[in-house]
Amino acid sequence: QQQVKQSPQSLIVQKGGISIINCAYENTAFDYFPWYQQFPGKGPALLIAIRPDVSEKKEGRFTISFNKSAKQFSLHIMDSQPGDSATYFCAAPELLSNTGKLIFGQGTTLQVKP
Amino acid sequence: DGGITQSPKYLFRKEGQNVTLSCEQNLNHDAMYWYRQDPGQGLRLIYYSQIVNDFQKGDIAEGYSVSREKKESFPLTVTSAQKNPTAFYLCASSIRKTSGSYEQYFGPGTRLTVT
Repeated sequence: QQQVKQSPQSLIVQKGGISIINCAYENTAFDYFPWYQQFPGKGPALLIAIRPDVSEKKEGRFTISFNKSAKQFSLHIMDSQPGDSATYFCAAPELLSNTGKLIFGQGTTLQVKP
Repeated sequence: DGGITQSPKYLFRKEGQNVTLSCEQNLNHDAMYWYRQDPGQGLRLIYYSQIVNDFQKGDIAEGYSVSREKKESFPLTVTSAQKNPTAFYLCASSIRKTSGSYEQYFGPGTRLTVT
């Protein structure tokens, strides 16, 4: 079964620091890698996404880095703020599927301390 | 406003009762999905539908049923056969971009408590 492995499970960062969350995938056919942000009691919100034809995508303080040879992609949150405290999920589309189904990582709970 | 609505936000039921969770979208998305999320856990796919009048089981379909009579609506019924129904239920829909990839968007969720 295809998997997306996410780490760490939890992360504590001081305000102003850099938060880094990593994901590894098992199949080179994945062609789209989104990240979702979820606040307690809310639905996940699409945060940023990357296609493997680029190595990096930046939107404000959020950057996705993609390493195709290592089959890894990571989310970097620069100048982390207490308002960034949430659970973050990486995902990848199911292989050979035209259903739009996503395989999600297990999630990383980020706490940014003031 | 375009988006996905789920109702109710909180739902309480007695064990042995069936309960139906509502999901409506006005994004004109073809595909819709139901996920279950348990505390501290990831997202597990229950059912999905790519077109009206067609749906497929996900990874944890046992004890659940769905219908897709309209493009905008994808209700989920949690039956009495579901052994551990208490959870946070999330509905999502997706659209295929010109790049070929799908972007999936989530509703606000329904928290179901069964006692």
